[in-house]
Amino acid sequence: KQEVTQIPAALSVPEGENLVLNCSFTDSAIYNLQWFRQDPGKGLTSLLLIQSSQREQTSGRLNASLDKSSGRSTLYIAASQPGDSATYLCAVRGGANSKLTFGKGITLSVRP
Amino acid sequence: GAGVSQSPSNKVTEKGKDVELRCDPISGHTALYWYRQSLGQGLEFLIYFQGNSAPDKSGLPSDRFSAERTGGSVSTLTIQRTQQEDSAVYLCASSLDGRAEQYFGPGTRLTVT
Repeated sequence: KQEVTQIPAALSVPEGENLVLNCSFTDSAIYNLQWFRQDPGKGLTSLLLIQSSQREQTSGRLNASLDKSSGRSTLYIAASQPGDSATYLCAVRGGANSKLTFGKGITLSVRP
Repeated sequence: GAGVSQSPSNKVTEKGKDVELRCDPISGHTALYWYRQSLGQGLEFLIYFQGNSAPDKSGLPSDRFSAERTGGSVSTLTIQRTQQEDSAVYLCASSLDGRAEQYFGPGTRLTVT
């Protein structure tokens, strides 16, 4: 059974800092991995999708990497801003036509 | 274009009552998913539809939970004889097909009193 872990559960950083959010998964046979952002009381916003054949994806100040063999992904946020404060969730898909398995998320607070 | 929509946004019900939650996926998306988010458990998968059929129902927690999808579009999640442990946010997602990126709706917050 796939398990996805995100540690730490919460992180507080000063504005402007570059930061890395970690995600690990137990079964390396994944189809793709998705990073989401969730604001309080809201749904999930997809940030980046990495296919199993890819090593990284970039969107603006965000960069996600995938090391399938070691069961790890990182989300790099450059020059963090208070507006980046949210919960970041990592989710893996085991195969085509299958569900996402989520980590419990990292709650990020960026202090002005 | 319009994203995934869900209704109602909030639902308060008494223990033992039945509830129906609705999801309108993005137009043209053939795959539809229901998830549940509760404080202690994180986000859990409930059921996956491809078109009108549900090839994976493995996440439904009990036979009180059922879902259907009609016309390859709207889906309804029904919870019968609600219990307090059913209190959670129910999220719906859709994707172009079973391999593509999933897009989530805003969720329905269900409170069972």
